[in-house]
Amino acid sequence: KNEVEQSPQNLTAQEGEFITINCSYSVGISALHWLQQHPGGGIVSLFMLSSGKKKHGRLIATINIQEKHSSLHITASHPRDSAVYICAVSWVKVGSQGNLIFGKGTKLSVKP
Amino acid sequence: DSGVTQTPKHLITATGQRVTLRCSPRSGDLSVYWYQQSLDQGLQFLIQYYNGEERAKGNILERFSAQQFPDLHSELNLSSLELGDSALYFCASSVDPWGSMKARGETQYFGPGTRLLVL
Repeated sequence: KNEVEQSPQNLTAQEGEFITINCSYSVGISALHWLQQHPGGGIVSLFMLSSGKKKHGRLIATINIQEKHSSLHITASHPRDSAVYICAVSWVKVGSQGNLIFGKGTKLSVKP
Repeated sequence: DSGVTQTPKHLITATGQRVTLRCSPRSGDLSVYWYQQSLDQGLQFLIQYYNGEERAKGNILERFSAQQFPDLHSELNLSSLELGDSALYFCASSVDPWGSMKARGETQYFGPGTRLLVL
């Protein structure tokens, strides 16, 4: 079993739809990260959170530490949101602080 | 632009060869991480350096090694290359990996990656 599980693996949406990507983890963490990987391969950090909720533009990330679960929401989705979204956790383990364990990613395609 | 640079962008080489990938962190960032992204394994942590010292090792093969220099740039050396080493190699940087800032954990800034193809 992977330490970080994401769902769904693939997601196709129509422009304007509300999108949710889920992430569950099984290890103790100091923070959870949401990353976006563009079709060209570049990776951008969207959010880092250790509690509660963060919002940036049309993106919202939430985390429930007790349930070891996080969600990434995209409101009013747009074709330019098409990318792979990756959940990663900073692992609380001696000698591993700061290192990331990654989920396998969710490939999002938003159709016009 | 994250401020992290990686060279080269693309690298094609043959099995058995040795290559060096280079990473320059964002100005002021002390920590450098190396990650490998392959089709079958996804993203995996390889190794972390902080201010010139190795801090943590992940799934890094013995054929691979890395170092961080006094100017904080880092190099990842891959030797005796095999077909399975073909992957995207990313480096990332952060200021302080120990979360001394108020927020726990650290945002990592990723470079554009080096795409390695071993033929």
